[in-house]
Amino acid sequence: AQKVTQAQTEISVVEKEDVTLDCVYETRDTTYYLFWYKQPPSGELVFLIRRNSFDEQNEISGRYSWNFQKSTSSFNFTITASQVVDSAVYFCALIGVGAGSYQLTFGKGTKLSVIP
Amino acid sequence: DTGVSQDPRHKITKRGQNVTFRCDPISEHNRLYWYRQTLGQGPEFLTYFQNEAQLEKSRLLSDRFSAERPKGSFSTLEIQRTEQGDSAMYLCASSLLQGAPNEQFFGPGTRLTVL
Repeated sequence: AQKVTQAQTEISVVEKEDVTLDCVYETRDTTYYLFWYKQPPSGELVFLIRRNSFDEQNEISGRYSWNFQKSTSSFNFTITASQVVDSAVYFCALIGVGAGSYQLTFGKGTKLSVIP
Repeated sequence: DTGVSQDPRHKITKRGQNVTFRCDPISEHNRLYWYRQTLGQGPEFLTYFQNEAQLEKSRLLSDRFSAERPKGSFSTLEIQRTEQGDSAMYLCASSLLQGAPNEQFFGPGTRLTVL
């Protein structure tokens, strides 16, 4: 069975603050892929990043960065200098390659509110 | 082709009625997924197609639900004898399978309200 836990249900920050969204995952597959998606108030899920289980390098894309630590089964997401447009629900998700369907298993999401 | 489209965007129906939703994936994508999302939850997998073949169904998909993808292009999801518990956002996603799992691109969803 696969599971993704996002312990933070809601976070509020003031604009320009940094914020980290936590994600902890469980899987029995040795090969797996981790994802982050953003769901703005409009409702459409937007892909942010994919990371495979063999690549533990951290990644930075503009104000976004991701910290993948296999030892703690975590894949945390940091937004630097947050902006109001970052307000959304963020989902961490997992695909275990053992199941051929490649279905995404999502966490419950973290609602981020950036206050101007 | 700018992305995954879904129709209708909203559907209100009375309990016991049948409803059908349509999804048009990104044209070159060979995999199509259906998910369901309820308030405050992440999307949950329902079923997926590779080309026209439906290869897996979640236990969430009761026998009142049926999905098709004729000719491996658009897909339909039908719910028969709707129940209030079916009220949710139904999301469609597509991806291009090329060995490793690529990102899935999601449509805007169909919000179903069963009265």
